Amino acid sequence: DVQLVESGGALVQPGGSLRLSCAASGFTFSSYWMHWVRQAPGKGLVWVSRINSDGRDTIYADSVKGRFTTSRDNAKNTLYLQMNSLRAEDMAVYYCARGSMVHAFDIWGQGTMVTVSS
Amino acid sequence: EIVLTQSPGTLSLSPGERATLSCRASQSVSSTYLAWYQQKPGQAPRLLIYGASSRATGIPDRFSGSGSGADFTLTISRLEPEDFAVYYCQQLGSSLWTFGQGTKVEIK
Repeated sequence: DVQLVESGGALVQPGGSLRLSCAASGFTFSSYWMHWVRQAPGKGLVWVSRINSDGRDTIYADSVKGRFTTSRDNAKNTLYLQMNSLRAEDMAVYYCARGSMVHAFDIWGQGTMVTVSS
Repeated sequence: EIVLTQSPGTLSLSPGERATLSCRASQSVSSTYLAWYQQKPGQAPRLLIYGASSRATGIPDRFSGSGSGADFTLTISRLEPEDFAVYYCQQLGSSLWTFGQGTKVEIK
């Protein structure tokens, strides 16, 4: 089965750091762009970042630029999101998603919750 | 950044009825990069439509997408009980992806 499984969500204090992981299986991970999308409690979807297939090119939403870093290890079929200088407004469920060949997000993980609170 | 505005915010309908959801962009977008997603409570989003009008794998034909330029529509021809959910449109422009704020389809 094609699958994405996120992990690493936790309670963290404002100003703290956290690294999320997304383990991929059932498809050739190294062939696909990957994305992070977040959803604050009771709110809509917000795109966070994209990384290309070889990991050499990334792009971020303005709200996280300079604080978040997306990377990948194609040998381990794993996507990462390093989050620094966390703020209350970063509190959300974070999803990883596969960027399909038709420019949409065709596979999603189940999400991992990040809580930012003192 | 292109802003997507979805309307209505909430749609109250009965099973068997037709649902028409609108997604309007702040400027023209390429149909190639317009997608629709369904999200149920506690679940991840699911891709329904890509390229404005193509159904994703396994999506029933009661779901259809249309539109071009800055105006796009998702239509559910006859609502089934499992279709009551929140629907989001999404676009890619200038290498940035954005989502609309969502339309909730609820049981009347």
